[in-house]
Amino acid sequence: DADVTQTPRNRITKTGKRIMLECSQTKGHDRMYWYRQDPGLGLRLIYYSFDVKDINKGEISDGYSVSRQAQAKFSLSLESAIPNQTALYFCATSVGREVDTQYFGPGTRLTVL
Amino acid sequence: GEDVEQSLFLSVREGDSSVINCTYTDSSSTYLYWYKQEPGAGLQLLTYIFSNMDMKQDQRLTVLLNKKDKHLSLRIADTQTGDSAIYFCAESKGGSYIPTFGRGTSLIVHP
Repeated sequence: DADVTQTPRNRITKTGKRIMLECSQTKGHDRMYWYRQDPGLGLRLIYYSFDVKDINKGEISDGYSVSRQAQAKFSLSLESAIPNQTALYFCATSVGREVDTQYFGPGTRLTVL
Repeated sequence: GEDVEQSLFLSVREGDSSVINCTYTDSSSTYLYWYKQEPGAGLQLLTYIFSNMDMKQDQRLTVLLNKKDKHLSLRIADTQTGDSAIYFCAESKGGSYIPTFGRGTSLIVHP
């Protein structure tokens, strides 16, 4: 079984709809992250959490919110989706140490019409 | 300017060596990473190097670091079609250890 899972894997929605993307991990890591990937722009950090009570904004948090329901679960919400939020979204986890390898989920492809 | 820069595309012939280059701006970067993203998948760590090292070799992969020029490269020897992917350079520093990723280089390997 995959260590980091994301649901759904694909989602098409309409402008103005509320969307939640979910991430679960079985690695036992404290740190979890949400990134978006756009062609030619690479990975940009949306939000990150160092433990259940810690939530931090990344470089592009506007229009997004997150919830850390448990050590293993970190969800990303788009309160009112807009077309320029069409992207590939990745969840990642890490231990939080010097060589801090990030472990990525398979991604969620979101299309906002 | 960007914190981590990479060229977007590289095309090589099967069996040749590939060299993917990266430059970064933060001289306090402590750890430098190469991640690989295969089609339809998330990123996976390929290798990393500490900033006090010049070179690291791991089978077909060679990482070179020029700290003075803030230049990192990944050489893949005997490139195979299975190496076709997007390669991301990333850097992090002490404290949060959160990596900053480059835009990724798409490596295309053709017969």
